[in-house]
Amino acid sequence: QKEVEQDPGPLSVPEGAIVSLNCTYSNSAFQYFMWYRQYSRKGPELLMYTYSSGNKEDGRFTAQVDKSSKYISLFIRDSQPSDSATYLCAMVNDFGNEKLTFGTGTRLTIIP
Amino acid sequence: DVKVTQSSRYLVKRTGEKVFLECVQDMDHENMFWYRQDPGLGLRLIYFSYDVKMKEKGDIPEGYSVSREKKERFSLILESASTNQTSMYLCASSPPGTGREQYFGPGTRLTVT
Repeated sequence: QKEVEQDPGPLSVPEGAIVSLNCTYSNSAFQYFMWYRQYSRKGPELLMYTYSSGNKEDGRFTAQVDKSSKYISLFIRDSQPSDSATYLCAMVNDFGNEKLTFGTGTRLTIIP
Repeated sequence: DVKVTQSSRYLVKRTGEKVFLECVQDMDHENMFWYRQDPGLGLRLIYFSYDVKMKEKGDIPEGYSVSREKKERFSLILESASTNQTSMYLCASSPPGTGREQYFGPGTRLTVT
């Protein structure tokens, strides 16, 4: 079983819809949770960063962490065609560890 | 603007060749990483370097080696390329500290025939 599970999709939604992307994990030591966005033929770039449980909002994006369920989510409101990309979750424990554990990524397409 | 550059976007090599992938960052970051990205498998860490001349194996180091002679440059070496090393290779860098943001290069698509 992988440490981090992420539905690969693909996921297609109409423009303006709310998108929900999710990851589950098995390692209870994970404390930092990140979402990276990767456009086609580009490297990933950090989108959101959350420490421990709770919600974090940045514009149209909300990251949510539920450590009791080992479940993290990324919500995109008022989705735009420019949001079409692969979204990767990533996480790391709190023991001076520099190495991230990534999910496999979900490919998202927003249909105009 | 922060930048991680990789020497080639596309590379085609023959089985058995020695392959060098170069990565340069201009952010004075201590940490540098090499990943490969494959469909259905996501990003897998090959090697990690936390300082000049320092390296640590990642999850899939077999068939690879690395070199970091200068802080800004991290090289990935395929000693004898094989077809199962056909993949997208991504380099990243980050400042020291747990969970700090990693900055990625654009990737090198390597095909081994």
